[in-house]
Amino acid sequence: RKEVEQDPGPFNVPEGATVAFNCTYSNSASQSFFWYRQDCRKEPKLLMSVYSSGNEDGRFTAQLNRASQYISLLIRDSKLSDSATYLCVVNKAAGNKLTFGGGTRVLVKP
Amino acid sequence: GAVVSQHPSWVICKSGTSVKIECRSLDFQATTMFWYRQFPKQSLMLMATSNEGSKATYEQGVEKDKFLINHASLTLSTLTVTSAHPEDSSFYICSARDGPPAYNEQFFGPGTRLTVL
Repeated sequence: RKEVEQDPGPFNVPEGATVAFNCTYSNSASQSFFWYRQDCRKEPKLLMSVYSSGNEDGRFTAQLNRASQYISLLIRDSKLSDSATYLCVVNKAAGNKLTFGGGTRVLVKP
Repeated sequence: GAVVSQHPSWVICKSGTSVKIECRSLDFQATTMFWYRQFPKQSLMLMATSNEGSKATYEQGVEKDKFLINHASLTLSTLTVTSAHPEDSSFYICSARDGPPAYNEQFFGPGTRLTVL
């Protein structure tokens, strides 16, 4: 079983719609959680950290469910520029190595 | 945010040659740098962790004699792919951290696309 698993998609989303997707992680000792965005043939860029109480950044909302070991990302009022691959990233306390999920591809269409 | 550069951005080489990739932190001192590899339609896989002035720590399955890492200064780490073969063709990305392990954010370089013919 992979340490971090994501639905690869693609999620085809009409412009203006809401899309949400999850990521599951296997290591219950994981301490930090992030969503990164990666555009085609580019490096990943930090979208947002995910906090236990859930957090929102503009149109993006992230949630963490430790009991079920998953995190989620919700994108509201999708824009064409939101089309990208969203990477779920988990950090174990020791060693501070990031473990990346396979990514969820989102395509926002007019 | 902090800026990390990589050079070259892409390279094409013949099988059997060695290729050096540089990773620089431009506006901060990076105590730790990380090297990742990403194959098409796959996620980033950590290859090694590099601390300034000490030997790199390689992930399981990564050959340290094939992927030579040097972190000679707080702003520069290099990855040399020795005797490259077509299966080494990949997107190599470095990242750098400017703080202690408790500070988690890593800043990523733009990546180097290696194609071995």
